[in-house]
Amino acid sequence: QAVLTQPASLSASPGASASLTCTLRSGINVGTYRIYWYQQKPGSPPQFLLSYKSDSDQQQGSGVPSRFSGSKDASANAGILLISGLQSEDEADYYCMVWHSSAWVFGGGTKLAVL
Amino acid sequence: QVQLQESGPGLVKPSETLSLICTVSGGSISSYHWSWIRQSAGEGLEWIGRIYGSGSTKYNPSLKSRVTMSLDTSKNQFSLKLSSVTAADTAVYYCAREVSGWPDYWGQGTLVTVSS
Repeated sequence: QAVLTQPASLSASPGASASLTCTLRSGINVGTYRIYWYQQKPGSPPQFLLSYKSDSDQQQGSGVPSRFSGSKDASANAGILLISGLQSEDEADYYCMVWHSSAWVFGGGTKLAVL
Repeated sequence: QVQLQESGPGLVKPSETLSLICTVSGGSISSYHWSWIRQSAGEGLEWIGRIYGSGSTKYNPSLKSRVTMSLDTSKNQFSLKLSSVTAADTAVYYCAREVSGWPDYWGQGTLVTVSS
């Protein structure tokens, strides 16, 4: 079972909000991890969006709009990237990442369609 | 503004060694940590390892036996060598900067294909 699992795709309407989940493998407690989020558009490298460990311990990437925010759902053992006020430019692949067992580990990514 | 540029052969034969260089401009490589990360259609994003500004290294345990990273401070470059490659090593290879402990800025990437 993968360390991080993300839904393959998600679609939402312009102006709406999208909640992207990153579920940690059973036995790995999301509460102890800082979750990092990246956005990747076709032909470009991933760009750092934000990291989230708790409401008092989070960091926004340089120039990243505040409509991108992070949180956790302890009951689901998942990290969440919330994008509010969706814009067409938010259409991209989104990846989560954690430091686990002495390595950076990435989720498989979620392709977000804004339509 | 830091810029990272990957360079190296785009085609490597099976069983040979993949060699890439990342040239850094806009900052000294001795000041930060640097990572190599690859992305393939089959495996997604995979962290290969990190080299510190001091030259010490930390490799992904899954690749450790085949990876070597080094610094060339005179050229402000760092390099990756991956030995005994197979088709599974075909990927876009990125170098990335780690300012505060995570890959915060990535190069544009370079495609390496393993094929005879």
